[in-house]
Amino acid sequence: GESVGLHLPTLSVQEGDNSIINCAYSNSASDYFIWYKQESGKGPQFIIDIRSNMDKRQGQRVTVLLNKTVKHLSLQIAATQPGDSAVYFCAEINTGNQFYFGTGTSLTVIP
Amino acid sequence: DVKVTQSSRYLVKRTGEKVFLECVQDMDHENMFWYRQDPGLGLRLIYFSYDVKMKEKGDIPEGYSVSREKKERFSLILESASTNQTSMYLCASRLPSGGVDNQPQHFGDGTRLSIL
Repeated sequence: GESVGLHLPTLSVQEGDNSIINCAYSNSASDYFIWYKQESGKGPQFIIDIRSNMDKRQGQRVTVLLNKTVKHLSLQIAATQPGDSAVYFCAEINTGNQFYFGTGTSLTVIP
Repeated sequence: DVKVTQSSRYLVKRTGEKVFLECVQDMDHENMFWYRQDPGLGLRLIYFSYDVKMKEKGDIPEGYSVSREKKERFSLILESASTNQTSMYLCASRLPSGGVDNQPQHFGDGTRLSIL
């Protein structure tokens, strides 16, 4: 079956530093990947996505990197702010259009 | 912006009750989904619907049913609530898509359901 996991369940960073959150996936045929942010008491919020024909995509303060060779996805947040504190999780979409979600990494930003 | 609205943020029900969770989206999305979210288990798909009147079982449909009478509304029904159905329930919607045209799911803020 699908396996979408995160390397660390928690991550603490100093305000202003860059954050890197990692995700491993198991299905080499998956062709679409998404990062979501979930703040306490709220639903998951779409941050950024990337298709398998790309290895990097940038948004506002966020960058997603995709390494298909090792089936690894990462989310980089530049100049991390207190408002970035949340749980971040990745989603993998396979060629059958099925979504598989990771369990999440809790990011804490230290002022 | 896509708006997915779940009717209740918190709900407390008793064992054996029939429970209705409602979800409405305002972006004319064909696809709608119901998940439950539990600590350490991530999101698990209960049911989904690709269009009005259509429904498909997800990974954990037992004890649940759904209704999609209108395109914008997708209801989750707990036929006879049990304590192991205490959870956070999330509704999502998205445009129909696949392959090079894949689109993300957009989520509501969830209903935290407690079964006593």
